Amino acid sequence: SQQGEEDPQALSIQEGENATMNCSYKTSINNLQWYRQNSGRGLVHLILIRSNEREKHSGRLRVTLDTSKKSSSLLITASRAADTASYFCATDATDSSYKLIFGSGTRLLVRP
Amino acid sequence: DGGITQSPKYLFRKEGQNVTLSCEQNLNHDAMYWYRQDPGQGLRLIYYSQIVNDFQKGDIAEGYSVSREKKESFPLTVTSAQKNPTAFYLCASSSRGRRVGETGELFFGEGSRLTVL
Repeated sequence: SQQGEEDPQALSIQEGENATMNCSYKTSINNLQWYRQNSGRGLVHLILIRSNEREKHSGRLRVTLDTSKKSSSLLITASRAADTASYFCATDATDSSYKLIFGSGTRLLVRP
Repeated sequence: DGGITQSPKYLFRKEGQNVTLSCEQNLNHDAMYWYRQDPGQGLRLIYYSQIVNDFQKGDIAEGYSVSREKKESFPLTVTSAQKNPTAFYLCASSSRGRRVGETGELFFGEGSRLTVL
């Protein structure tokens, strides 16, 4: 079962613009993480936000978490062509042993 | 360098054959995971192991088997009972993620692409 659902499924923007991706999930969580995947490669961890945090920053990334709405957003500012990739949210549910359940992903295309 | 190594990168299987995908990590992580990814889709959890000699089924374990005899290794066997095995398989490891000071992030290998002929 997919815990998270990303929105939009695909996003195309011009270099320099901001990109916003949203993630909704179903159960109570300990933390939520965002990962990036270049085509045909493994995933790379970007940022983690714990359930008692509301916002977190890392470089050009900004993540928010709203546990009352069971949703998170990832903002990439001043996008670059190299940001082109798929982005996934993953959740650690409180009612399970430690494992991450991934959403369906957002495919981001940044046009030069 | 520390990391996760998956092999082979590409694998072709005839129907009715079992195949084993290798996953080795030198990060000293307790937990290891196998995920399946279909084209344009997210990751689905097959099996995971939080400690040596113990593992649990994920959401799509049918037709797959694993072992965890060593901390560094978590091989996945795709059996002939798996009706649609063509997919991209990803192995990952982590600290167990709920102890103080742990980030719980997953470190992924580069994947193994299995094609059934």
